[in-house]
Amino acid sequence: QKEVEQNSGPLSVPEGAIASLNCTYSDRGSQSFFWYRQYSGKSPELIMFIYSNGDKEDGRFTAQLNKASQYVSLLIRDSQPSDSATYLCAVIKTSYDKVIFGPGTSLSVIP
Amino acid sequence: EAQVTQNPRYLITVTGKKLTVTCSQNMNHEYMSWYRQDPGLGLRQIYYSMNVEVTDKGDVPEGYKVSRKEKRNFPLILESPSPNQTSLYFCASSSADSSYEQYFGPGTRLTVT
Repeated sequence: QKEVEQNSGPLSVPEGAIASLNCTYSDRGSQSFFWYRQYSGKSPELIMFIYSNGDKEDGRFTAQLNKASQYVSLLIRDSQPSDSATYLCAVIKTSYDKVIFGPGTSLSVIP
Repeated sequence: EAQVTQNPRYLITVTGKKLTVTCSQNMNHEYMSWYRQDPGLGLRQIYYSMNVEVTDKGDVPEGYKVSRKEKRNFPLILESPSPNQTSLYFCASSSADSSYEQYFGPGTRLTVT
């Protein structure tokens, strides 16, 4: 089992819809969870981070964390064509530990 | 401007010829890291450093070396590059005070023939 897994994708949604991206992790000791967006040929950029169970909202983005189920998700409301990118889930166990990235999910928002 | 810089951005080299990819950040971040990104495999951490003179192996350290003599710099060294090290490399940095949100450099595309 991979340490961090994501929906295999690619995921296509129509403009204005909600895009739902999922991530599961295997290490119960994981403490911090991040979502990065990566446009083709560019470097990853941080969208959201979450540490506590529940929801965290930032504009059109909502991160959801359920540590009991070892599951973190990213919802993108009112999806725009500019949201088309690969979304990477990242997990860090402790402050002095390595970062594990998932393989990424490619999202395409269709106008 | 806060940034992470990498050099070179593109490099084509031959098997066995030692090379160094430099990484520098101007944000006084404690944590620095190197990743390689390959199609279908995602981002994999090579080495990371919590502070000056403190480095540790990530998931794929074989064939790579790093050093952290200054807080701002974290070079990646390939002593004897091989074709399987052809990849896109990213350097990243983060601060302990900002919950380890990483800022990535622009990437270095390395081809080893």
